[in-house]
Amino acid sequence: GENVEQHPSTLSVQEGDSAVIKCTYSDSASNYFPWYKQELGKRPQLIIDIRSNVGEKKDQRIAVTLNKTAKHFSLHITETQPEDSAVYFCAAPNQAGTALIFGKGTTLSVSS
Amino acid sequence: NAGVTQTPKFQVLKTGQSMTLQCAQDMNHEYMSWYRQDPGMGLRLIHYSVGAGITDQGEVPNGYNVSRSTTEDFPLRLLSAAPSQTSVYFCASKAGLAGETQYFGPGTRLLVL
Repeated sequence: GENVEQHPSTLSVQEGDSAVIKCTYSDSASNYFPWYKQELGKRPQLIIDIRSNVGEKKDQRIAVTLNKTAKHFSLHITETQPEDSAVYFCAAPNQAGTALIFGKGTTLSVSS
Repeated sequence: NAGVTQTPKFQVLKTGQSMTLQCAQDMNHEYMSWYRQDPGMGLRLIHYSVGAGITDQGEVPNGYNVSRSTTEDFPLRLLSAAPSQTSVYFCASKAGLAGETQYFGPGTRLLVL
């Protein structure tokens, strides 16, 4: 089945800096890669996703890139703000495509 | 729409007790799933369902049972709770097979003593 590895587990940046979180996946047939943000005590919320027919997608300060050959995808946050502090999860579909398999998460801390 | 709802929000059990975590969605989603979240372990898939009457195991199914009698409801049962099942449990649902957004419920925090 699918296996998703996520790095780093923790990331500390200064306000205004960029942050990059990287994930690798194992199933070359996977075709959908979402990123979720989870604030303390809350449920995970989708912030951006990418499908395998594109290499990059942007939404204001966040972007996701996908390298299908290397089987990795990354989340890029520019001009970080304190409210970006949260745990971020990457994911890929399970083998049946009916649920998501998640990485172990990255705790992002943005200090002002 | 209420989206995905879960009850209870918090529960304390003693080892060996049984309980059912409730999950419901009002978006007419076919696919539903249960995850557990533990510190440093991310979200791990317990069981999932692709429609009424159809369920399957995820990454960590042992100790949990599920059933799906209706499209709306997907309860998770712990038959004999163990301290290792102390966790936060999230239910999720999504509409379709390829690339549809998966929505999470608010979670149930379970403590097994």
